[in-house]
Amino acid sequence: EPEVTQTPSHQVTQMGQEVILRCVPISNHLYFYWYRQILGQKVEFLVSFYNNEISEKSEIFDDQFSVERPDGSNFTLKIRSTKLEDSAMYFCASSQTAYNSPLHFGNGTRLTVT
Amino acid sequence: GIQVEQSPPDLILQEGANSTLRCNFSDSVNNLQWFHQNPWGQLINLFYIPSGTKQNGRLSATTVATERYSLLYISSSQTTDSGVYFCAVEGMDSSYKLIFGSGTRLLVRP
Repeated sequence: EPEVTQTPSHQVTQMGQEVILRCVPISNHLYFYWYRQILGQKVEFLVSFYNNEISEKSEIFDDQFSVERPDGSNFTLKIRSTKLEDSAMYFCASSQTAYNSPLHFGNGTRLTVT
Repeated sequence: GIQVEQSPPDLILQEGANSTLRCNFSDSVNNLQWFHQNPWGQLINLFYIPSGTKQNGRLSATTVATERYSLLYISSSQTTDSGVYFCAVEGMDSSYKLIFGSGTRLLVRP
């Protein structure tokens, strides 16, 4: 069964550094998302992306964050000038359509900011 | 924004027991999904169920959209069912984001 793949599985970075989290969505999916989960808390929506542009973003997704689809397969989340509170599990997800289709998550990237 | 409440927050079962998890939401939705987060942190989609009833093996789910709740049934529970079960909904004013509940943490003991 096709799956969403994320790399790396774990990223450690120092405060103030930039990180790029990478995702390869399922190949025939058209909608891409990033969610995050701070340890022990609920899963929070960050951003959705369709047709090479952001469709919706949450209040969390401020100027520190950006997303990009640099080629036909990859979908990236860039976090500039990381802060301690950015430490979380970041999940990439994709779906075939915006309506009437399930969301498929990758295994996540655990980001630790020291 | 739309609120999602799940109950119970924690549940401990003996292997073989049945359970019902509940998800209440505060407004009309056009999308509701159930996920299982296993002990390794993976989020697995169990059901896409904005209304009606679906079954998949020992799991089934029912959503009564007019009354704004959904139920997830687990029958003959196994230790591998342990983890956190999340309900997530998409409001009528948004077509691109799911709002997650706080989850039900399930532990199935052998």
